[in-house]
Amino acid sequence: DAGVIQSPRHEVTEMGQEVTLRCKPISGHDYLFWYRQTMMRGLELLIYFNNNVPIDDSGMPEDRFSAKMPNASFSTLKIQPSEPRDSAVYFCASTSGKADTQYFGPGTRLTVL
Amino acid sequence: AQTVTQSQPEMSVQEAETVTLSCTYDTSESDYYLFWYKQPPSRQMILVIRQEAYKQQNATENRFSVNFQKAAKSFSLKISDSQLGDAAMYFCAYRSEGYGQNFVFGPGTRLSVLP
Repeated sequence: DAGVIQSPRHEVTEMGQEVTLRCKPISGHDYLFWYRQTMMRGLELLIYFNNNVPIDDSGMPEDRFSAKMPNASFSTLKIQPSEPRDSAVYFCASTSGKADTQYFGPGTRLTVL
Repeated sequence: AQTVTQSQPEMSVQEAETVTLSCTYDTSESDYYLFWYKQPPSRQMILVIRQEAYKQQNATENRFSVNFQKAAKSFSLKISDSQLGDAAMYFCAYRSEGYGQNFVFGPGTRLSVLP
């Protein structure tokens, strides 16, 4: 299996621009998680899905952030408009409900100038 | 809500020596899972070892082992025969029992391995 795939690996944008991060979970996994990692706040859960349905989005920082999972093999995290404080590494992870371990993608490093 | 604490922001160890990373957690649950993840400079989060709370036997994976003390809510990671490739951030994580529960991560410990 190719593991969790994220794109792009690096994104540099200017304040006010829309940013879309993409994730392809491991085939057969029915849970998908989006995390944000910063030096100040560590690893934070933003939102997670089960069978393409958002279960808990309490970690989404504000309305500028949105996430979708239109099918079992694809999810997006969108920031509109982006701000410098959104600069972070964003991870996607997936797991099967039958398993207990999350498998992480390589992350997307976002820099907002 | 569960919390995970790693009291050592940074640690260092001499190559070939042994080092122990500390982790404590707070929960009122009796069944759960605990994990150690490694994050090298590549940023990839790599599972190192996992432990089921209902198992008394400490988990071991090659040079990595844990000391799980359920009553004390402690879950330390021991790395034996440390190698340069072990240098990374190490995160302790907690997961509730149940279908697809999300993780709670500690703040991490940065481990340096000295040649």
